[in-house]
Amino acid sequence: DVKVTQSSRYLVKRTGEKVFLECVQDMDHENMFWYRQDPGLGLRLIYFSYDVKMKEKGDIPEGYSVSREKKERFSLILESASTNQTSMYLCASSVPGQGAGTQYFGPGTRLLVL
Amino acid sequence: DQQVKQNSPSLSVQEGRISILNCDYTNSMFDYFLWYKKYPAEGPTFLISISSIKDKNEDGRFTVFLNKSAKHLSLHIVPSQPGDSAVYFCAASVYNQGGKLIFGQGTELSVKP
Repeated sequence: DVKVTQSSRYLVKRTGEKVFLECVQDMDHENMFWYRQDPGLGLRLIYFSYDVKMKEKGDIPEGYSVSREKKERFSLILESASTNQTSMYLCASSVPGQGAGTQYFGPGTRLLVL
Repeated sequence: DQQVKQNSPSLSVQEGRISILNCDYTNSMFDYFLWYKKYPAEGPTFLISISSIKDKNEDGRFTVFLNKSAKHLSLHIVPSQPGDSAVYFCAASVYNQGGKLIFGQGTELSVKP
């Protein structure tokens, strides 16, 4: 079974803080993704990575950065948290070409920025 | 520019009846479509998928239909069960774009006993 874990289920931060969200997958997947989920907007892609040290912007990268130093780990960084970044953050991984990219998700991190 | 749209935010169905969730897309380059199910406080889980070379795919109580000319897909659940109550997302991808998925807004299904 594919396992994707996220470092925290719930997080409360102050405006202006630097926030790190960690994601680890144990199935040697090349692709990893970060989304945020907001009511009425579905899942929106923030960043993704095809390989170690590779990163690509998604649809809403502003205010975020990512790091992929090891294949199994993909970190999302909020450089200076703002209240509009309060959201559910979801990490996913996939194998290129397998099921045209069926993604496996972690449990999510619900972030509240005060 | 919402390339994948789920126009019904919510759907309520009686247990044992059929649930039909709909999804429309605008990009004719999409060649693979997926449905995910999400319970509160959990990540989405893959449910069923369909390639654009097919018009139907069935897996137990779940069937996905694809109408390429209308750029429309639907997920049928029959019979519906209370445990099916969740948010359902449809997603689409283009095969040679490395697995990037475009998701719809989601439809919250409530199956009442």
